[in-house]
Amino acid sequence: SAVISQKPSRDICQRGTSLTIQCQVDSQVTMMFWYRQQPGQSLTLIATANQGSEATYESGFVIDKFPISRPNLTFSTLTVSNMSPEDSSIYLCSVEVLGSGANVLTFGAGSRLTVL
Amino acid sequence: RKEVEQDPGPFNVPEGATVAFNCTYSNSASQSFFWYRQDCRKEPKLLMSVYSSGNEDGRFTAQLNRASQYISLLIRDSKLSDSATYLCVVSLGNTGKLIFGQGTTLQVKP
Repeated sequence: SAVISQKPSRDICQRGTSLTIQCQVDSQVTMMFWYRQQPGQSLTLIATANQGSEATYESGFVIDKFPISRPNLTFSTLTVSNMSPEDSSIYLCSVEVLGSGANVLTFGAGSRLTVL
Repeated sequence: RKEVEQDPGPFNVPEGATVAFNCTYSNSASQSFFWYRQDCRKEPKLLMSVYSSGNEDGRFTAQLNRASQYISLLIRDSKLSDSATYLCVVSLGNTGKLIFGQGTTLQVKP
C-alpha cells in the first residue's frame, strides 16, 4: 500500500498564526483526504483534495479556514489559518488503498498541533 | 443521533479472554464497513473489512447485520498487544466518504 509522509509531526503555535501541513505520497493517487481528530474524539473528514480542482469541503469546514493545495498526484498541503486553541488537534492525511477494495484508507502518521 | 455509535469502554479484560465490540450505524445507504485499530498516539490502521457473510481473520471475527444496521467485532484469546482503540467505520453510498465511530478502547491485562 502507499506510504504517506506527513510533516510537521507536531508543532506548538501561537493564537492567530497559521500552519501548513504537508503530505507526500510515494505513488500517484487521485484523491487525498484530510481528517481531524480532536482530543478524545474520533476522526472527522475536513475535505477531499483533488488534483487540478478545488478541494471539496465537508459541512462545518470552509476554505478560508482550511485552505488546501493539490499541485500534483503525490502531494497536498493543508493550512490551518488564524489558529485558536480550539484548533488543537491531530490532522491526518489519507489516501485510498488500491486493490484492497473501495474506500479502504491508509493514513499518514498525523500532525499533532497545539495552539496556545 | 450519531451516524456511527460505539460503546467507548474502556473494556478491561485478562489475557486469553474473548471480548466483543458492537457498533450501530444510522444510514441505511451505507455500503462498506470496516474495523480500524488505533494505538495510542498513532494513526488508525485497517484491521479488517466487514462483509455481509461475516469474515474471520485469525483471532478476529467481524459480523454485519444490515437489517439491524449493526456491526460487531469478536476477539478471541486476547493478547496484551491487542490493547488499542478499535474504530468502527462506515462508508456512505458511493461518495467514498468514511464516517468513523468514536472508538472502543480495549485494555488487555496480564
